[in-house]
Amino acid sequence: DAGVTQSPTHLIKTRGQQVTLRCSPKSGHDTVSWYQQALGQGPQFIFQYYEEEERQRGNFPDRFSGHQFPNYSSELNVNALLLGDSALYLCASSLLAGNTGELFFGEGSRLTVL
Amino acid sequence: AQSVTQLDSQVPVFEEAPVELRCNYSSSVSVYLFWYVQYPNQGLQLLLKYLSGSTLVESINGFEAEFNKSQTSFHLRKPSVHISDTAEYFCAVTLMDSSYKLIFGSGTRLLVRP
Repeated sequence: DAGVTQSPTHLIKTRGQQVTLRCSPKSGHDTVSWYQQALGQGPQFIFQYYEEEERQRGNFPDRFSGHQFPNYSSELNVNALLLGDSALYLCASSLLAGNTGELFFGEGSRLTVL
Repeated sequence: AQSVTQLDSQVPVFEEAPVELRCNYSSSVSVYLFWYVQYPNQGLQLLLKYLSGSTLVESINGFEAEFNKSQTSFHLRKPSVHISDTAEYFCAVTLMDSSYKLIFGSGTRLLVRP
């Protein structure tokens, strides 16, 4: 049973570019959340998707957008990249019904913006 | 708003010594409490959680945490650490409102020395 998988694992972009990160949730999970983890800090909630819609959102600008597909996989898009967007982006999946907050995380996509 | 404070950014200990990683939270409503562990170059893994009931919760690898409502704390302890426990430990909370949005502390790096 595959866990949460993310791609790419590492990528380098320059300021102003756009990036798309991908996530496949753990088998049987229907909810995907995205977190940004800057160096030396804890993960910060970006947004959560369920039934192909954004269910809730953290304090991130509109440059950060996402999508969830019918197979529950998800994408995170960041436009007009800034140096401060350099971070580890973590995808986490869960089952909405009956969940008490336990999330299963992928290994992350490390984005470097030059 | 909720917040989580991990007072120690790094805790160095010798192998087989006891350790305590401190976590305090702030919330005006009831929360669920979690400890996640992040090994080098990996995603986060759930270590243990407090939902309700006994205030002392244990993990399968010897860690335990005690929920103290009056002190709004959820400190993590282990009576005897191993080299393999070297990792980053994150305390997190989520509201009991089905939001499943985790709010993380800044993390504590546990460094176990031989």
